[in-house]
Amino acid sequence: AQSVAQPEDQVNVAEGNPLTVKCTYSVSGNPYLFWYVQYPNRGLQFLLKYITGDNLVKGSYGFEAEFNKSQTSFHLKKPSALVSDSALYFCAVRYNFNKFYFGSGTKLNVKP
Amino acid sequence: NAGVTQTPKFQVLKTGQSMTLQCAQDMNHNSMYWYRQDPGMGLRLIYYSASEGTTDKGEVPNGYNVSRLNKREFSLRLESAAPSQTSVYFCASSDRERMAETQYFGPGTRLLVL
Repeated sequence: AQSVAQPEDQVNVAEGNPLTVKCTYSVSGNPYLFWYVQYPNRGLQFLLKYITGDNLVKGSYGFEAEFNKSQTSFHLKKPSALVSDSALYFCAVRYNFNKFYFGSGTKLNVKP
Repeated sequence: NAGVTQTPKFQVLKTGQSMTLQCAQDMNHNSMYWYRQDPGMGLRLIYYSASEGTTDKGEVPNGYNVSRLNKREFSLRLESAAPSQTSVYFCASSDRERMAETQYFGPGTRLLVL
């Protein structure tokens, strides 16, 4: 079955430290992978996507993600977290036009 | 540009009532989508419209109907609301119907069905 998993409901990190938000997927074929961020009472905002090519993808606000085909993972990373990065992060995978699956979300808390 | 707008922001319905959620985008996008967001489940695709005049079912279409009124507008209708349809509904649009296309989301409509 096609699926996306975000194994951590919440990630806590201190400001200035590196952060990682994990995502694994299970789809047949070549997936298209996305990360979105949601701030309270707002819609989702696009951060970055992997289509093909370089396994390290750079996106908005200093975020990057590493695609690992052998581990079927697409973890979101940032070298130095900011308090303003605190939000809900969603990993998503698309493998067909009407098959767009989102993970359950990971709440990132960055403490001063 | 306002981007993707949704109305209403919040609605309370009684079981069996009907309502239409409105969505409009001013980015001249071809494709539009309706999702629902439930706690612990992420977003699930209800319906999408690849282009004006076409609509297709997503993962959870039961209990919903959609209308792509024109290129700008894509509405979602609940004919007979049920408590299980209590959720936050998001509309999204993308430039073209390509697999890698980025979607742009509206602010959401919170629906409570009593």
